[in-house]
Amino acid sequence: GAVVSQHPSWVICKSGTSVKIECRSLDFQATTMFWYRQFPKQSLMLMATSNEGSKATYEQGVEKDKFLINHASLTLSTLTVTSAHPEDSSFYICSAREVRGLSYGYTFGSGTRLTVV
Amino acid sequence: AQKVTQAQTEISVVEKEDVTLDCVYETRDTTYYLFWYKQPPSGELVFLIRRNSFDEQNEISGRYSWNFQKSTSSFNFTITASQVVDSAVYFCALSEVGGRGSTLGRLYFGRGTQLTVWP
Repeated sequence: GAVVSQHPSWVICKSGTSVKIECRSLDFQATTMFWYRQFPKQSLMLMATSNEGSKATYEQGVEKDKFLINHASLTLSTLTVTSAHPEDSSFYICSAREVRGLSYGYTFGSGTRLTVV
Repeated sequence: AQKVTQAQTEISVVEKEDVTLDCVYETRDTTYYLFWYKQPPSGELVFLIRRNSFDEQNEISGRYSWNFQKSTSSFNFTITASQVVDSAVYFCALSEVGGRGSTLGRLYFGRGTQLTVWP
């Protein structure tokens, strides 16, 4: 089945540094990638939607200059948390949407646990 | 607007009990998809089922079964003879149907139900 490889699975960084999270679709073309953030014991919150080759669409309240999303190819999308602060510590998950004929599905990455110290 | 409500925040059962997780949704679309995902403590989301709005047939897969009722906008999930390995957070989600490459088609998640199965 479809697989999205997300790396790193966990990362600890110092305040003020930037962290890049990668999501690669291994056996299909991900025309659309969704990026979610999840706080402990809470639901997934959509941060942004990116379509290959165009600028990402951010949800209200999400700072686009802080959470840089790049979707330069059909198999790779990246989320960069710039100048990270402890409040950015969270679980980040990507999800690729694959269109198959008249139907479609979502394939999730395994998530990245970010801790900013 | 789309909305998914999972009223049960936490459920605890003893092994071998049956348990039903409720999901109620709201949408103005006539065509949509409903999903259930399992999130174990490791964090990854495990796909369980997808159902489109035109298919109201109930589905059974092993110990899992789903009851989709458009009349009540519900898509409930039942685990029969629960096991300790079923302990996880379960999310119900709704998606619109969008064109290729558009911003439609995002998933709307419920807040999740934490299921704990005790031995």
